[in-house]
Amino acid sequence: GQNIDQPTEMTATEGAIVQINCTYQTSGFNGLFWYQQHAGEAPTFLSYNVLDGLEEKGRFSSFLSRSKGYSYLLLKELQMKDSASYLCAVLDSNYQLIWGAGTKLIIKP
Amino acid sequence: DAEITQSPRHKITETGRQVTLACHQTWNHNNMFWYRQDLGHGLRLIHYSYGVQDTNKGEVSDGYSVSRSNTEDLPLTLESAASSQTSVYFCASSEEPDYNEQFFGPGTRLTVL
Repeated sequence: GQNIDQPTEMTATEGAIVQINCTYQTSGFNGLFWYQQHAGEAPTFLSYNVLDGLEEKGRFSSFLSRSKGYSYLLLKELQMKDSASYLCAVLDSNYQLIWGAGTKLIIKP
Repeated sequence: DAEITQSPRHKITETGRQVTLACHQTWNHNNMFWYRQDLGHGLRLIHYSYGVQDTNKGEVSDGYSVSRSNTEDLPLTLESAASSQTSVYFCASSEEPDYNEQFFGPGTRLTVL
């Protein structure tokens, strides 16, 4: 079966750095997405990785290792507005998105 | 500005009733998707469409149907609502090819009593 695992909840301090991990086992791989979802709102796109390595976009970076079936999202200089759920999703061999359950990130002052 | 809208935003219905959730996008995207989101689960794909007159079943399509008569709209119908269909429903659209990001509507919270 297809499976995406990410921690249910994480807590971090304002101004710090946090890494949210995602491991996946899917039928095929055509890329990995990270989305941010604030409570009661729609998911919004953060990043897309299809090749191994690190993609940096401002305070957010996303890393992919296809051989290990592993990705992480790195958030730097955390702000209170970063409190949200972070969703990992893999595009499988049929170009369907398989979604993880999301990681709820709580930022404390 | 282009956008994707859903209506109603909240709906309470009774078991056995037919319910239709609307989704309208002005991005002119060919790809449109319906998901449900439940606590402890990831987004699960219900139905999707790659263009007018094209519809496909997703992972959890039983009890749901869609139709695509134009580019802008993909209404989702629950033929006979069940309590297990209480959920938050998101519509999304994307530009081809499939690895492009999906843009999500604000969601519809459906409660089936």
